[in-house]
Amino acid sequence: ETAVFQTPNYHVTQVGNEVSFNCKQTLGHDTMYWYKQDSKKLLKIMFSYNNKQLIVNETVPRRFSPQSSDKAHLNLRIKSVEPEDSAVYLCASSPGQISNERLFFGHGTKLSVL
Amino acid sequence: GMPVEQNPPALSLYEGADSGLRCNFSTTMKSVQWFQQNHRGRLITLFYLAQGTKENGRLKSTFNSKERYSTLHIKDAQLEDSGTYFCAAHNYAQGLTFGLGTRVSVFP
Repeated sequence: ETAVFQTPNYHVTQVGNEVSFNCKQTLGHDTMYWYKQDSKKLLKIMFSYNNKQLIVNETVPRRFSPQSSDKAHLNLRIKSVEPEDSAVYLCASSPGQISNERLFFGHGTKLSVL
Repeated sequence: GMPVEQNPPALSLYEGADSGLRCNFSTTMKSVQWFQQNHRGRLITLFYLAQGTKENGRLKSTFNSKERYSTLHIKDAQLEDSGTYFCAAHNYAQGLTFGLGTRVSVFP
């Protein structure tokens, strides 16, 4: 049963455009995350966020930014996309404070940058 | 080496067969999760273990923190078991680290 919802499922755009992906969780969890999965299926964390703390993976380019209105929502904005941003972006949530120990994932948003 | 080594990289099974996947850890981990990524790309949580063994239907997982490994056993494989299986192990020093996955293909 899906409890972490992501939109859109797919997005095709051109280099330099801005995109925004939405994520909502109905699990009542305190912490949400964004992961990037590359073409080799490797999963890398991008952001961890709860209402007290934002942890940014230092390898994430500055054109990426998380946006949250409340603890149930964490959107991902990419300002001026690059070809290497083509990937699947997975949103997740976990109970408690930031520890990313026990994750529940959405179905992902596949981004293709032309 | 990699904090989480997952083997094998790929696995082919006939329906009805049993098989196992394994993750070895380079350091002591506090917990492990197993996920199945289906053809639509969604990561489905299979197990979360802090120790010991759990079973769910035809799947069984074991986590041995002291020996630094975890296993996932598939019994009586079905076509819907096809997908990529990931383990992810957690410790407070490194957070959650994913393995590279095992691509499982089940054939009729």
